[in-house]
This record gives sequence, structure tokens and C-alpha cells, in this order.
Amino acid sequence: AQKVTQAQTEISVVEKEDVTLDCVYETRDTTYYLFWYKQPPSGELVFLIRRNSFDEQNEISGRYSWNFQKSTSSFNFTITASQVVDSAVYFCALRSNTGKLIFGQGTTLQVKP
Amino acid sequence: DADVTQTPRNRITKTGKRIMLECSQTKGHDRMYWYRQDPGLGLRLIYYSFDVKDINKGEISDGYSVSRQAQAKFSLSLESAIPNQTALYFCATSAGEQAGNTIYFGEGSWLTVV
Repeated sequence: AQKVTQAQTEISVVEKEDVTLDCVYETRDTTYYLFWYKQPPSGELVFLIRRNSFDEQNEISGRYSWNFQKSTSSFNFTITASQVVDSAVYFCALRSNTGKLIFGQGTTLQVKP
Repeated sequence: DADVTQTPRNRITKTGKRIMLECSQTKGHDRMYWYRQDPGLGLRLIYYSFDVKDINKGEISDGYSVSRQAQAKFSLSLESAIPNQTALYFCATSAGEQAGNTIYFGEGSWLTVV
């Protein structure tokens, strides 16, 4: 069975704090893709990153970084020096071998000024 | 302009009415999807289509139907809307294996059934 778990339902931080959003996944596939999406209050879903199962390199994009660890089936997302504009719901997702995208429940991040 | 366009963006309809949500894309992708989002339940797949002649049920297809009119168009219908179909609906597309299957979403359609 394919499953994505985002244990943190809501996180609240003060601007400029660092924050890490956790994602744990389950799959029996040897080849798979992991994704993070951002959903701001306006409602659209914005693609942030894709990582395939053969690439465990961490990635940094500006204030965003991702830590993929197959040994713990985790794909965590860190925002450094958070800003109010980072306030959103963040979804971790797993692409199954049938092409379907399976989402976690989402983590609501609130960044207070 | 958005690559994945959904219409309408907001709709209020009455129980029992038929409603269609339309989706068109300019990304040239073969694969298209319909998801619904409910508070606390994340996103769930309703239907997906890997090409014009291929339609597949997702995890919550009951009460819905779809039509893939062309590669770029994929519509979702609620034949007889009911209040628990009130949700945010997303259309999405992906290019397939060669592109790592990144799925791109439209801006969403808010549907309220009263």
C-alpha cells in the first residue's frame, strides 16, 4: 500500500525562525517520486520540488531545502528564515507506479510577524 | 495565462442539479486528473486519463463522471449534485514517465451544493 504521513497538522512560528515540515512515506516500489506542493490561502496548488527514489542528494533552493532519506522513508522540508508569505498549507506527495499522486494530509504553516 | 485552466472557478448549485467542471491545458500533456480536496482529508483522486481513449476511476469516483474530449480537455460532471460533494476541485496534468511525472495543478474550482 502507498501512504504519505504528515504528522504535523499545524505549525506556528515567528518570522525569521527556521521550520521543518516532516513527511514519511510508505511504498513497495523501488522506483518512485516524491513531491512537495504549497497551497497558499488563495487555494491554488504550487509545485515546489520533485525527487526520484534514486537521488538522495539534499537540495537547496533559496530559503527552501529538502532532506530525502530512504533509510527512514522520509522527505522533510525546511524553510530557513521564514517569512509571512510562507504561510500556507504544504503537502507532501508520492507518485505511485500507476502514475497516481498520493497526498499526505497537509501541514498548515502559520508565520507570524 | 495559466497552463491549466479550470472553469468555473466558483459555483453554487442546488441539490439534484447537474454540474460540469471544465479543464483545459496548454502544456501538451497526455495525462489529466481530477482531484477533490476536503478539509482534513487532503486531496483524493476522482478520475484520471492517460490519453483520450483511456479513462480510469480513482479512489472516489462514485457520483462523478468524466469526459476527455481532446488531449487538452478533461471535464468532470456531477450528474445529480449532493451536499457532500461540496469541495474544492482540482484538475491536473502530467507529461508521463519521461518527465518524472510531475503533476501540475489548475487553480481550483470551489463548488458548493446547497
